[in-house]
Amino acid sequence: GQQLNQSPQSMFIQEGEDVSMNCTSSSIFNTWLWYKQDPGEGPVLLIALYKAGELTSNGRLTAQFGITRKDSFLNISASIPSDVGIYFCAGPNAGGTSYGKLTFGQGTILTVHP
Amino acid sequence: DTEVTQTPKHLVMGMTNKKSLKCEQHMGHRAMYWYKQKAKKPPELMFVYSYEKLSINESVPSRFSPECPNSSLLNLHLHALQPEDSALYLCASSHATMNEQYFGPGTRLTVT
Repeated sequence: GQQLNQSPQSMFIQEGEDVSMNCTSSSIFNTWLWYKQDPGEGPVLLIALYKAGELTSNGRLTAQFGITRKDSFLNISASIPSDVGIYFCAGPNAGGTSYGKLTFGQGTILTVHP
Repeated sequence: DTEVTQTPKHLVMGMTNKKSLKCEQHMGHRAMYWYKQKAKKPPELMFVYSYEKLSINESVPSRFSPECPNSSLLNLHLHALQPEDSALYLCASSHATMNEQYFGPGTRLTVT
């Protein structure tokens, strides 16, 4: 089945620093999704990308859909303590018996030191 | 409004108990999902309902029984669970199965 390789697995940064994380796949995705999950809560959709090359911002967050359709990155600028959490990339499977099933990356655990 | 609600927030049950988890959305979404999530791992899909019909069962043990009474509600009936079933159970919904999914806050289940 489809797999997403997300990196880095964890990041420890100082408040105010910029953050970058990415996801790559050996197969094509038609949609890329980025979620953030706080401890004990459900994932919250941050950004959805639908077109190759698309660059989308949501406040301090910027995400891009790679031209090859096999990768995406998420940047967070000027990090603040509430950015702490686990960030997941995800994409819907496009065919076969897994149609519509979301494939998730393994997550990036972000820690921000004040 | 992109809200999915789940009840209860926390649940502790013995291995002989029967309990149910509930999920509700009023966004007009026609696809609803149940996921199981262990700590610091991505959610694992359990079931998908599309237009109130079960479309995907990821080989989930029969002690988990999903039900979709109508387009806004999704239940997960639990019976004779094992301690390893302790996890965060997430509900999600989307317009259709290929669209972005919106997650509820989850139910933290502990099986004793």
